[in-house]
Amino acid sequence: EVQLVESGGGLVQPGRSLRLSCAASGFTFDDYAMHWVRQAPGKGLEWVSGISWNSGSIGYADSVKGRFTISRDNAKNSLYLQMNSLRAEDTALYYCAKDRAAAAGPGSWFDPWGQGTLVTVSS
Amino acid sequence: QSALTQPASVSGSPGQSITISCTGTSSDVGGYNYVSWYQQHPGKAPKLMIYEVSNRPSGVSNRFSGSKSGNTASLTISGLQAEDEADYYCSSYTSSSTLRWVFGGGTKLTVL
Repeated sequence: EVQLVESGGGLVQPGRSLRLSCAASGFTFDDYAMHWVRQAPGKGLEWVSGISWNSGSIGYADSVKGRFTISRDNAKNSLYLQMNSLRAEDTALYYCAKDRAAAAGPGSWFDPWGQGTLVTVSS
Repeated sequence: QSALTQPASVSGSPGQSITISCTGTSSDVGGYNYVSWYQQHPGKAPKLMIYEVSNRPSGVSNRFSGSKSGNTASLTISGLQAEDEADYYCSSYTSSSTLRWVFGGGTKLTVL
């Protein structure tokens, strides 16, 4: 069974940093691209970032570009999101999601999703 | 990037059919046959319901179907059941110089 377990969320002050992790199991991790998607409280889904199987292709939403960095460690079956210069508007539940293929691209979809880790940015 | 446009809410009675629209542009929905749909129950993670406009993953009821015309994709749920009450989101790749995806704002389905 495919499992994605996010961790690393918490309460952080504006301007500070946080690193999220996503532990993957039940599939060959380095065969698939991965993504981070977030959901602000009571709001809709927002794609945050995606990374191909070998980290060769990476993308970011405009709202986080220059502040967030996605990475992966295929030896550890883990996905990461380094979040710097956090803002109140980054407050959200952050999900990691598996792509359908190794190379993230137009044909990608997100399945399955983890249960999410909550990031709260507040002073 | 702008979110895809979905109605905020739709409703229907058990046994009826409903359709949720998802309107984008030629840079996303209209440019690719890769629209996907997700169901999210309160407090739960989203679940893939439709991929590549009209394909159902294994285990998803055939009461769920998808289609697309021009820049608008649609999700139809037939034979509404109480457990279909949830939020539904569409998603599409959007063309740009880098990898990028966009979601719709979400539609709350109420089964009356």
